[in-house]
Amino acid sequence: AQSVTQPDIHITVSEGASLELRCNYSYGATPYLFWYVQSPGQGLQLLLKYFSGDTLVQGIKGFEAEFKRSQSSFNLRKPSVHWSDAAEYFCAVGVYNTDKLIFGTGTRLQVFP
Amino acid sequence: DADVTQTPRNRITKTGKRIMLECSQTKGHDRMYWYRQDPGLGLRLIYYSFDVKDINKGEISDGYSVSRQAQAKFSLSLESAIPNQTALYFCATSGLGTETYEQYFGPGTRLTVT
Repeated sequence: AQSVTQPDIHITVSEGASLELRCNYSYGATPYLFWYVQSPGQGLQLLLKYFSGDTLVQGIKGFEAEFKRSQSSFNLRKPSVHWSDAAEYFCAVGVYNTDKLIFGTGTRLQVFP
Repeated sequence: DADVTQTPRNRITKTGKRIMLECSQTKGHDRMYWYRQDPGLGLRLIYYSFDVKDINKGEISDGYSVSRQAQAKFSLSLESAIPNQTALYFCATSGLGTETYEQYFGPGTRLTVT
């Protein structure tokens, strides 16, 4: 069965530090992969997406993610975190034959000044 | 104005009461979804609708029903609310093809069942 694992429930970083949020997926074919962000009191917003091609994808707000098939991973990165990046981040896989998204359990990012 | 709106934003209700959560969108999308979010569980799909006449159960549909009144409106009902339905509920919309995964979410409804 398809699944998404986000091993880190909560991450704390200092403002200006680099960030990497981990995501591993289980899927039988080439996956469609996504990162969504949920700011406090708001709905989810799409950060970036991967369908095919270049395995390093750029998103909004300075985020990027790299698809690594050999590791079944799609980790999210940002070189320098801003206080406004504090939010919850969800990795998701798109299931091709059902047109549905399966979400991970989320990683809450806290940013200290 | 927001593309996807949800009403109410917060609701406290008692066990056994019927409650309806409403969602409206101005994106012009055919596809609409209802999810619930629980701490540590991420988002789980309750129901989804690919057009006005196509409604499907998600992974956790028991205890819920939906109505797609128009392309722009998709309502979620709890016929007889129970405390374990306390959660944050999100409505989302999407386009077709690969855009089906690029979902636009409403701000959420926080529901508490006492």
